[in-house]
Amino acid sequence: AQRVTQPEKLLSVFKGAPVELKCNYSYSGSPELFWYVQYSRQRLQLLLRHISRESIKGFTADLNKGETSFHLKKPFAQEEDSAMYYCALGVVYGGSQGNLIFGKGTKLSVKP
Amino acid sequence: EPEVTQTPSHQVTQMGQEVILRCVPISNHLYFYWYRQILGQKVEFLVSFYNNEISEKSEIFDDQFSVERPDGSNFTLKIRSTKLEDSAMYFCASSGGGGRDQPQHFGDGTRLSIL
Repeated sequence: AQRVTQPEKLLSVFKGAPVELKCNYSYSGSPELFWYVQYSRQRLQLLLRHISRESIKGFTADLNKGETSFHLKKPFAQEEDSAMYYCALGVVYGGSQGNLIFGKGTKLSVKP
Repeated sequence: EPEVTQTPSHQVTQMGQEVILRCVPISNHLYFYWYRQILGQKVEFLVSFYNNEISEKSEIFDDQFSVERPDGSNFTLKIRSTKLEDSAMYFCASSGGGGRDQPQHFGDGTRLSIL
């Protein structure tokens, strides 16, 4: 079954502390994974995709196929990082156009 | 930076009525999607659309739902006879490519409230 699991509903850290938002996936083929962020009252925005292996706003995410994980990390959290974070898996059901399966999201709260 | 725009931001409708949610995808994108998020639940895929045809649809997208690209810019989601359980946030998205590795760009969403 194709599935994305984000085990933490809420993660609360202090400013300057490291952050790790967990994401595990289930997919039989080679996964295409994304992290989306939703700041308060704003749209879902693409934060990272595993294929580009880049760092955005200090966040990184490494695909670990052995553990079927794509955890999002940042060494020093900032207050402006407070948002909902969604992990998503790109899938194709039967046709050729992909769509996304989302996890339930983790709300990150960074305290001053 | 170009954005996906959705109107209205909030729609309140009586149960049984038809509702049309509108989206203007990013202008050079050819692949379009609708997702919904019921309050407190995850974002769920409804339908994908390319070249004036539905590419994929989920189990949620039953006969009450339809999508259309009525002109060169709009992409609409119609719910023919709304039910209470259709109350949700509806997100439109577009992408420049159709593969599952392609990032999708989302609109702000339309909050649909069924009374």
